[in-house]
Amino acid sequence: QKEVEQDPGPLSVPEGAIVSLNCTYSNSAFQYFMWYRQYSRKGPELLMYTYSSGNKEDGRFTAQVDKSSKYISLFIRDSQPSDSATYLCAMRHQGAQKLVFGQGTRLTINP
Amino acid sequence: SQTIHQWPATLVQPVGSPLSLECTVEGTSNPNLYWYRQAAGRGLQLLFYSVGIGQISSEVPQNLSASRPQDRQFILSSKKLLLSDSGFYLCAWTSGTSGTDTQYFGPGTRLTVL
Repeated sequence: QKEVEQDPGPLSVPEGAIVSLNCTYSNSAFQYFMWYRQYSRKGPELLMYTYSSGNKEDGRFTAQVDKSSKYISLFIRDSQPSDSATYLCAMRHQGAQKLVFGQGTRLTINP
Repeated sequence: SQTIHQWPATLVQPVGSPLSLECTVEGTSNPNLYWYRQAAGRGLQLLFYSVGIGQISSEVPQNLSASRPQDRQFILSSKKLLLSDSGFYLCAWTSGTSGTDTQYFGPGTRLTVL
């Protein structure tokens, strides 16, 4: 079993829809959770960064962490064609030098 | 502000040829540095990371090697490339061991081995 599981998709939704991207994990020591967005042929860029449980909102993006269920989510409201990309979740525990990544979900927003 | 550079951006090499990819970071000191490989449609595979000059940790046994000759320079090398070495190579950095920093990625190098 992988430490982090992420549905690779692809996921295709119409413009304006609410998108939900999810990752599950098995290591209860993970405390820091990140979402990266990667456009085709580009390096990943940090989108959201959260510590422990709870929600964090940044514009149209909301990151949610449920440590009791070992489940994290990224919600995108009012999705735009420019949101079309691969979204990678990542996480680590306190003091870790390395991140553990999900496989990435390929998202397409159709105009 | 900090920036991370990688070059070359694209590389096509024959099987058996040597490889040298370079990564440099500006605007920070004593970064942790990382090399990842991303195969087409796949996730990120950590290859090497370094917490200081001359300190290299290898994650996956293979025909690649890494070196850190300077604080903000990280080099990925191979003496003889294999077809399976094709992929998108990403360098990343964090600002150290504070426990709250995350990784920032460079633009990547796309390597095709023919």
